[in-house]
Amino acid sequence: GDSVTQMEGPVTLSEEAFLTINCTYTATGYPSLFWYVQYPGEGLQLLLKATKADDKGSNKGFEATYRKETTSFHLEKGSVQVSDSAVYFCALSERSGGYNKLIFGAGTRLAVHP
Amino acid sequence: EAGVTQFPSHSVIEKGQTVTLRCDPISGHDNLYWYRRVMGKEIKFLLHFVKESKQDESGMPNNRFLAERTGGTYSTLKVQPAELEDSGVYFCASSSQGGSNEQFFGPGTRLTVL
Repeated sequence: GDSVTQMEGPVTLSEEAFLTINCTYTATGYPSLFWYVQYPGEGLQLLLKATKADDKGSNKGFEATYRKETTSFHLEKGSVQVSDSAVYFCALSERSGGYNKLIFGAGTRLAVHP
Repeated sequence: EAGVTQFPSHSVIEKGQTVTLRCDPISGHDNLYWYRRVMGKEIKFLLHFVKESKQDESGMPNNRFLAERTGGTYSTLKVQPAELEDSGVYFCASSSQGGSNEQFFGPGTRLTVL
């Protein structure tokens, strides 16, 4: 079945460092791809998404490009802030019966220090 | 507009006891999903309601779990009897009609079975 694999954390960075969190997927069809973020004490929030190959999702300085040839959707940010400390989840939507059930990776915890 | 709410935020019970989790979706959202994250692993789909009907319950782990959505509004997830491996964070999400719409997540209920 479809699956998502993302790099294990925790990832610890200094403020203004460059961030990459790797995500690869396995899917039989053409899924939509997502990054969700969970800040401490809060629920999951959609950070960005891409619905077809070569699409780039972006939000709050984060970017990810849907790469069909490498089945990847890596998350990047050029300069992280302390407020970016959170758990990041890569996910894909499996079009099951027309409804977008989400399949998630295990999550990557990011800690940014001043 | 109020977001997805879940109650309780935390629950600690002993093995063999019963626990009921509640989710109130965003008003007007027909789609309601339950997910679970166990021991820092990936978030896994449990089931999906469309209004009061179970559309997909393929992720329910066993018959100790019972989900209901009376009147197509709030949903409950009952675990009876609870086992140690049921510990984790249970997330609820909702989305509006139309399978491609964004899922909005609640803050989760952390369940600990001792």
